[in-house]
Amino acid sequence: DGGITQSPKYLFRKEGQNVTLSCEQNLNHDAMYWYRQDPGQGLRLIYYSQIVNDFQKGDIAEGYSVSREKKESFPLTVTSAQKNPTAFYLCASSTGTGVFSPLHFGNGTRLTVT
Amino acid sequence: QKEVEQNSGPLSVPEGAIASLNCTYSDRGSQSFFWYRQYSGKSPELIMFIYSNGDKEDGRFTAQLNKASQYVSLLIRDSQPSDSATYLCAVNYGGSQGNLIFGKGTKLSVKP
Repeated sequence: DGGITQSPKYLFRKEGQNVTLSCEQNLNHDAMYWYRQDPGQGLRLIYYSQIVNDFQKGDIAEGYSVSREKKESFPLTVTSAQKNPTAFYLCASSTGTGVFSPLHFGNGTRLTVT
Repeated sequence: QKEVEQNSGPLSVPEGAIASLNCTYSDRGSQSFFWYRQYSGKSPELIMFIYSNGDKEDGRFTAQLNKASQYVSLLIRDSQPSDSATYLCAVNYGGSQGNLIFGKGTKLSVKP
């Protein structure tokens, strides 16, 4: 079945450690996105990528990094520079990059940093 | 600052009733509009999208768009307890899906 796989589902880290969240899709979608969701808040865009080897910062990119070496994969690294990393992280993809391409989400990774 | 506003709720409706969820947006040039449903602890799932003024129906769901009033709504007919979730409105103000702005969501509770 086609879909977007995020792993792990839950992740626990100590403050000061970098952590990488995985996102893989087999939908042959061109565009991929990373969002962060905090309780009672809307989704906020961290990074997005429209094609392989290219990505753009979203509204809250500070403290995060990404790579897009393969069409299927868009990992997100949460660095120690991110001040409030505890959140629900959502990866999404869309067939195209235009405004009429709906986003489809993976199941999310819940990161807790203590 | 581009904004998408939703009443946080909770909106409580009895089973079988029509639930009406509303969303307003600030950018008059916005081009595409999406509704997502999010169950507690889960990821958002796409319900409907609409691009043109008027109504768009899909099963029990109807999306309504009024660009002049900068208003988009989602109607759920014959509401079921399984419809209880948070509904997210997302608006794209143009360029690419990197310009998609999400509202904070409206929590819907359907009482048996």
